[in-house]
Amino acid sequence: DAGVIQSPRHEVTEMGQEVTLRCKPISGHDYLFWYRQTMMRGLELLIYFNNNVPIDDSGMPEDRFSAKMPNASFSTLKIQPSEPRDSAVYFCASSLVRDTEAFFGQGTRLTVV
Amino acid sequence: KQEVTQIPAALSVPEGENLVLNCSFTDSAIYNLQWFRQDPGKGLTSLLLIQSSQREQTSGRLNASLDKSSGRSTLYIAASQPGDSATYLCAVRRSGYSTLTFGKGTMLLVSP
Repeated sequence: DAGVIQSPRHEVTEMGQEVTLRCKPISGHDYLFWYRQTMMRGLELLIYFNNNVPIDDSGMPEDRFSAKMPNASFSTLKIQPSEPRDSAVYFCASSLVRDTEAFFGQGTRLTVV
Repeated sequence: KQEVTQIPAALSVPEGENLVLNCSFTDSAIYNLQWFRQDPGKGLTSLLLIQSSQREQTSGRLNASLDKSSGRSTLYIAASQPGDSATYLCAVRRSGYSTLTFGKGTMLLVSP
């Protein structure tokens, strides 16, 4: 397996624009997580899914953020409208079952200007 | 709320030294603990996963220990090499939860 695949790797956008980040988890993994990493706050959980169903979205900072998982092999994180303070690295991770090792993608570095 | 602290924030050593990275957590009701490595501009690579029932886990030159009752874990790197230079992150998974709480990492620089 190629591991967790995220796209794009880098995204630069203007304030107010819609941004969509994409993730393909490892095949067969039932859990998918979205994290955000900043210098100030480190890595923080945004939302996670189990069998394509959102379980905990308490980390989603605002209504501007939304995430979907239409099938077992694809998830999106959307920010609309984007703001400069959303600039961060966004990571997607997956795990086979609930309490097992998590595998991370390469991340998407988002810059909102 | 679980909090994870890693000390030191940065560490610089000459090649060949043995070193210890520290991780502490406030809630001892953890299910497991995972150590990651992050290279600049890259994703996280899982190094070791240690279950709450275990005291140690080893992989090559790496050894992770866990003392759940005191809320501490250490990552021991033997005979450090320049290729070990990276940020090392500790993350804990609380019992009954699926998600990881991360420390802010220790940035390691190993000089030739």
